[in-house]
Amino acid sequence: DQQVKQNSPSLSVQEGRISILNCDYTNSMFDYFLWYKKYPAEGPTFLISISSIKDKNEDGRFTVFLNKSAKHLSLHIVPSQPGDSAVYFCAASGGNDMRFGAGTRLTVKP
Amino acid sequence: DAGVTQSPTHLIKTRGQQVTLRCSPKSGHDTVSWYQQALGQGPQFIFQYYEEEERQRGNFPDRFSGHQYPNYSSELNVNALLLGDSALYLCASGSRGEQFFGPGTRLTVL
Repeated sequence: DQQVKQNSPSLSVQEGRISILNCDYTNSMFDYFLWYKKYPAEGPTFLISISSIKDKNEDGRFTVFLNKSAKHLSLHIVPSQPGDSAVYFCAASGGNDMRFGAGTRLTVKP
Repeated sequence: DAGVTQSPTHLIKTRGQQVTLRCSPKSGHDTVSWYQQALGQGPQFIFQYYEEEERQRGNFPDRFSGHQYPNYSSELNVNALLLGDSALYLCASGSRGEQFFGPGTRLTVL
């Protein structure tokens, strides 16, 4: 059951431009959403999160937007840097477990 | 603080065998979750342990079992291995707010 979907398997942007990663979910019971970044040979690393009572959370270059009515969230990275190149996973939680999307591979070109 | 550690790093087994993977949570964390990440997929929730009890379980067969010790470390056991069990197995500690992941154990079933 794919309760969390990341429909873009890959994204390529130029250094300094904005990266927008998208995520959709189906379960309305989810009330907490997270983004993780994963480099090869490492476990996912927490990046930023948002509670369902908010529609935006910002942390430096990273901003997560939540549209509850559309069951959609997005991660904006501005400006993008080559070190941001990684696989980004969207995750949603509505209890004690967490559901992940399949990931989007972001490549930031110098 | 060593963070979440997992052992072994890599493992090769044959069909029908049994395997045990180990995880030590981040210092101060009492909750451990296990995930299976197949190639090209996001992590899939297997189960979560808290106070030495399985608190929640994902959609995995009974061949997947676990244990948590009083020191909060945990084991994932998989019996009667199938080729499809080949994956990266991730352990995470912490609550749903910010789970910290280990580097994973790469299991290959031949």
